[in-house]
Amino acid sequence: DGGITQSPKYLFRKEGQNVTLSCEQNLNHDAMYWYRQDPGQGLRLIYYSQIVNDFQKGDIAEGYSVSREKKESFPLTVTSAQKNPTAFYLCASSIVRGSSNQPQHFGDGTRLSIL
Amino acid sequence: GQNIDQPTEMTATEGAIVQINCTYQTSGFNGLFWYQQHAGEAPTFLSYNVLDGLEEKGRFSSFLSRSKGYSYLLLKELQMKDSASYLCAVNDYKLSFGAGTTVTVRA
Repeated sequence: DGGITQSPKYLFRKEGQNVTLSCEQNLNHDAMYWYRQDPGQGLRLIYYSQIVNDFQKGDIAEGYSVSREKKESFPLTVTSAQKNPTAFYLCASSIVRGSSNQPQHFGDGTRLSIL
Repeated sequence: GQNIDQPTEMTATEGAIVQINCTYQTSGFNGLFWYQQHAGEAPTFLSYNVLDGLEEKGRFSSFLSRSKGYSYLLLKELQMKDSASYLCAVNDYKLSFGAGTTVTVRA
C-alpha cells in the first residue's frame, strides 16, 4: 500500500547534538511538508518542498534544515540551534502544493525528546 | 497573518450530535479542511469545503460560510471511537491549522 513512512517513532537528543528525522513516501506526490505539534497548539509548518532540489521555509524554520534530493524523501535535521526541540514531528505530502482540493497525507510522526 | 479559532474541548454522549465550530481570518482562502487526530497518531482527512454550504459524508458533515469566515464540523450518532482531536485547517498558499478541538464521547 502507498503511504508515508516516518522513522524513528521515538528519538532522543543530547544537548548540542544534531538529529535527523526520516520521511519517505511512495505516493508519487510532488509536495512534502514538515510540521511540529506541541500540546495545546496546532500544527506549525517548518519547511515545505514542491519539487526536487527546492524547498521553502515555513513559519518556524529557525534551528531546522531539510533536503529534497529525491522525490520520495524529505529528511528533517533538528540542529543544536533549536533550543526547544521536544515535540511531535509530522511529515506530510500532497499531489501539488496549494492544490485546492487535495488533502495532505500524514505519516505517523516522530516524537523527539531531550535527554 | 493567519488566525484560526476552535473550542479547546467538547464532551458529548454516545449517540448524540456534536458541532465543532471554526472561525478564521486569513490573508487568502482556497478551501478549508477538517482532519481527525487520535492521540499520538497522524491526522486523517475528513472533509473539504471550498464553496459555501454543507458537505455530507456519512455521519460527518461540514459547513462553510466564506463571507463569515466560519465553518463547522457536525458529528452525528457519536461513537466511542470518535473521541479524538479535530483540526480545522485553512488553505491559503499553504495550510494553516487551528489548535484543534478535543472531543470526548462518554457512554
